Amino acid sequence: DGGITQSPKYLFRKEGQNVTLSCEQNLNHDAMYWYRQDPGQGLRLIYYSQIVNDFQKGDIAEGYSVSREKKESFPLTVTSAQKNPTAFYLCASSPVYQGVNQPQHFGDGTRLSIL
Amino acid sequence: QKEVEQNSGPLSVPEGAIASLNCTYSDRGSQSFFWYRQYSGKSPELIMSIYSNGDKEDGRFTAQLNKASQYVSLLIRDSQPSDSATYLCAVISGGSYIPTFGRGTSLIVHP
Repeated sequence: DGGITQSPKYLFRKEGQNVTLSCEQNLNHDAMYWYRQDPGQGLRLIYYSQIVNDFQKGDIAEGYSVSREKKESFPLTVTSAQKNPTAFYLCASSPVYQGVNQPQHFGDGTRLSIL
Repeated sequence: QKEVEQNSGPLSVPEGAIASLNCTYSDRGSQSFFWYRQYSGKSPELIMSIYSNGDKEDGRFTAQLNKASQYVSLLIRDSQPSDSATYLCAVISGGSYIPTFGRGTSLIVHP
């Protein structure tokens, strides 16, 4: 079945440590996204990418980094510069058409906490 | 700044009633509108897409779009306790492919 796989489901970060969240999709979608969701809050866009080897900052990119070396993969690194990383991280993908916009599909999320 | 506004709720309705969820948006050039359902601790799942004015029905769900008034709504008929979740409205402007999300409305359906 096609879908988006995020791993791990739960992740703990120590002080000063960088951690990487994995996101893989087999939907053949061009665009991929990372969102952060805090309790009782909406989705905030961290980074997005429309094509391989290209990505743009979203609304809250500080303290995060990404790469897009393959169409299927869009890993997110939460660096030590992100002082408040505890949140639910969601990866999404969508086709990018010239015509009608298509909705995003989401992975199951990674819950990150500070040790 | 493109904004999408939703009442955070909670909206509480009895089982079997119609739940009405509303969303307003600021960008008049918006063209694509989506409703997602998010259960507590889970990721959002798409339940409806709508692109033109009027109503679109899918089972117990009806999406209503009024571009002149800049609102989109979701009606859930015969509400069930399993419909209890947060409903997110997402809007995409013309010329973009990136949605702007509202903060979501919490719906509680009580037996």
